[in-house]
Amino acid sequence: DQQVKQNSPSLSVQEGRISILNCDYTNSMFDYFLWYKKYPAEGPTFLISISSIKDKNEDGRFTVFLNKSAKHLSLHIVPSQPGDSAVYFCAARHLGKSTFGDGTTLTVKP
Amino acid sequence: SAVISQKPSRDICQRGTSLTIQCQVDSQVTMMFWYRQQPGQSLTLIATANQGSEATYESGFVIDKFPISRPNLTFSTLTVSNMSPEDSSIYLCSVEDLRDWGPYGYTFGSGTRLTVV
Repeated sequence: DQQVKQNSPSLSVQEGRISILNCDYTNSMFDYFLWYKKYPAEGPTFLISISSIKDKNEDGRFTVFLNKSAKHLSLHIVPSQPGDSAVYFCAARHLGKSTFGDGTTLTVKP
Repeated sequence: SAVISQKPSRDICQRGTSLTIQCQVDSQVTMMFWYRQQPGQSLTLIATANQGSEATYESGFVIDKFPISRPNLTFSTLTVSNMSPEDSSIYLCSVEDLRDWGPYGYTFGSGTRLTVV
């Protein structure tokens, strides 16, 4: 049973437009949700997180939205830049351990 | 946030041999986490390494196959034993960055890309 799912394996957007990456989860015990970015040959890098008691968290160009009733979160990147091209993982945390989705490869075209 | 040095960055190993991966953190941390990322898949937690106690393994992972050492609060090793081609993966260590208001995410090492032939 995969507790964290990213149903879109890839996403392509034009530079300057909005990128929206989606993630669904099944375990209502998760207390934090996090997004990571990963470049080839590097470890994942933390981007932004949101507590389960909030519905929005913003940090610069990155905003994460949480819909607890739908068990859904999304990451918005505005405006998208070519340097944002990477694999994005969502993760959900419970008791200090994180469960990761399969990742979405974002390509931002100049 | 913590800085993690992980080595080796990559290795090609013969079937049946073992490889030990090392992670050094620049600060003291209570828990270190070991993940595996198989080709085209997500990160899967192998085990949680606590200093001074046995590592806690996730379902599907056993100590005989993935022995872990945690001799102090800044260092850990993961050994992949009796390797087979199915063990070809990227192995990552990580620590959690905790702030006053909550978790700030994991910091990951750069990963060890293991190929078993």
